[in-house]
Amino acid sequence: LAKTTQPISMDSYEGQEVNITCSHNNIATNDYITWYQQFPSQGPRFIIQGYKTKVTNEVASLFIPADRKSSTLSLPRVSLSDTAVYYCLVAGNAGNMLTFGGGTRLMVKP
Amino acid sequence: NAGVTQTPKFQVLKTGQSMTLQCAQDMNHEYMSWYRQDPGMGLRLIHYSVGAGITDQGEVPNGYNVSRSTTEDFPLRLLSAAPSQTSVYFCASSYNRSPYEQYFGPGTRLTVT
Repeated sequence: LAKTTQPISMDSYEGQEVNITCSHNNIATNDYITWYQQFPSQGPRFIIQGYKTKVTNEVASLFIPADRKSSTLSLPRVSLSDTAVYYCLVAGNAGNMLTFGGGTRLMVKP
Repeated sequence: NAGVTQTPKFQVLKTGQSMTLQCAQDMNHEYMSWYRQDPGMGLRLIHYSVGAGITDQGEVPNGYNVSRSTTEDFPLRLLSAAPSQTSVYFCASSYNRSPYEQYFGPGTRLTVT
């Protein structure tokens, strides 16, 4: 399983766009990139998944450069309720194991 | 749909006791898994199952047993509780065709004294 590296914590203010970058230098050809969000005392929640280029849904955008060695989760106009831990995961479609690293603790301030 | 449900929400055990954490899902997902999350840490995979009758070990399987007799249920058994097993336990499920989009339960907070 490819190892991921992401910042331990980030601060932002309401209404700003937040970009969280994840490094995954040894990503394999079959690996997908997935992001989860976790609020205190709750289980993680799937946000978005991608393989290459750009993916957008109603919650976030995921940018993946051509070499796929990194990815950036973009949260538009964050609010206080976006304060959470965000996990970047890389896993191949041949396996079923998700490996969660330490995640990025995002604090949104008023 | 109730999604993924876990019982109990909280549990206190004494060292050496055994117990079973229950997990059920009503989404007809083939894949189910158990994670533990220690304070301030990410989740670590304990055991997983890709279908009824099939289970496999994750990163940290020692001290835990699982079984999968039905698609809906995936109980986690602690054989002889130890203080090192104090943690929050999450159950998750997904379709095998999209194992990365997992649905997590609310968790069971276990304290072993």
